[in-house]
Amino acid sequence: GNSVTQMEGPVTLSEEAFLTINCTYTATGYPSLFWYVQYPGEGLQLLLKATKADDKGSNKGFEATYRKETTSFHLEKGSVQVSDSAVYFCALKNYGGSQGNLIFGKGTKLSVKP
Amino acid sequence: GAGVSQSPSNKVTEKGKDVELRCDPISGHTALYWYRQSLGQGLEFLIYFQGNSAPDKSGLPSDRFSAERTGGSVSTLTIQRTQQEDSAVYLCASSLEAGAAYYEQYFGPGTRLTVT
Repeated sequence: GNSVTQMEGPVTLSEEAFLTINCTYTATGYPSLFWYVQYPGEGLQLLLKATKADDKGSNKGFEATYRKETTSFHLEKGSVQVSDSAVYFCALKNYGGSQGNLIFGKGTKLSVKP
Repeated sequence: GAGVSQSPSNKVTEKGKDVELRCDPISGHTALYWYRQSLGQGLEFLIYFQGNSAPDKSGLPSDRFSAERTGGSVSTLTIQRTQQEDSAVYLCASSLEAGAAYYEQYFGPGTRLTVT
């Protein structure tokens, strides 16, 4: 079946540090991959996505590359800010069939200290 | 344009009562999804609709849960005889179409349900 595994948090970093949040997946076929972010007290927002192998999604300084050979979609940012403190969810969605839903990882809480 | 809206934003109910949660998707989105988010279970898929049809009801936790969608728009999630383990944030999302994997889902703010 389809599943997503992401690194457990919480992750605590100082401002301007480099961020990596690991995400690996198991899926049949060619899923699309997503990172969603949930800021404190807010709903889930799409951060970035990639729909095929070697695609790089990017937004707000965050990047993730769809690596089919390692079944990974790691989230990176070169210099985090306090405002990046949030919970980050990796997710996949597969094509067709009855699988309409997103499959989420458990989420990684990021805290950035000034 | 308007995003996904959900009502109520908060609901406190007594154990054993029925509750209805409402979701209004983005205009033009044919697919609608219900998830719930709880501390112990993370983000859990419940059900989705393509138009008014629900091809996949496998995520509904029990037969106390049901959902409907009419007119290809608003959806209601009904929980009968609520139990304390139903306490969670119920999230609704919509997308242009369910079958294509590349269409992102847009989430509403959620309904926080507390069963006392």
